[in-house]
Amino acid sequence: DAGVIQSPRHEVTEMGQEVTLRCKPISGHNSLFWYRQTMMRGLELLIYFNNNVPIDDSGMPEDRFSAKMPNASFSTLKIQPSEPRDSAVYFCASSFGRSETQYFGPGTRLLVL
Amino acid sequence: DAKTTQPPSMDCAEGRAANLPCNHSTISGNEYVYWYRQIHSQGPQYIIHGLKNNETNEMASLIITEDRKSSTLILPHATLRDTAVYYCIVRVWGNAGNMLTFGGGTRLMVKP
Repeated sequence: DAGVIQSPRHEVTEMGQEVTLRCKPISGHNSLFWYRQTMMRGLELLIYFNNNVPIDDSGMPEDRFSAKMPNASFSTLKIQPSEPRDSAVYFCASSFGRSETQYFGPGTRLLVL
Repeated sequence: DAKTTQPPSMDCAEGRAANLPCNHSTISGNEYVYWYRQIHSQGPQYIIHGLKNNETNEMASLIITEDRKSSTLILPHATLRDTAVYYCIVRVWGNAGNMLTFGGGTRLMVKP
């Protein structure tokens, strides 16, 4: 199994630009999570999906952030417009059913100039 | 979910056992203890979890006190590759959302 796949691995953009992060969960997993990690705030859950449906997005910072999961094998996290304070590592994770084990992807390192 | 307290950092000699403590004095009866670790520049990795009995797998052992207010993760023979931040998390198993709340963790440095 390839594990959770995230792309791009690194992204550098300018303030005001749109950024789209992508995630492919492990095949068969039905829960997907987006996390953000910064030095100041550590690891924070942004949003999670169950069976492609967003269940809790209370961690999404503001309206500039949006996430979609059009099917069981793909999710996106979009930031529009991006700001320097959005610079962080964004992780996607997936899990199966009632399993408590979340499998994390390698992360996308985002730098907004 | 109950909060946890971990020392911010620890050192361990290579080949020796690493014992990482975690306090969770407000844990409730249906909350499990989970451990994840994050090696530099990688995503967090699941290690082990338990409710009240001690648990062991190929990676580590988890010792939970009888009153469940604290636990210890044991890496029996630490290697340099075990250098990472270790997170102790308590939460209800099967809780709607399967969400994990990561605290500050313990930065374990394994030294040769």
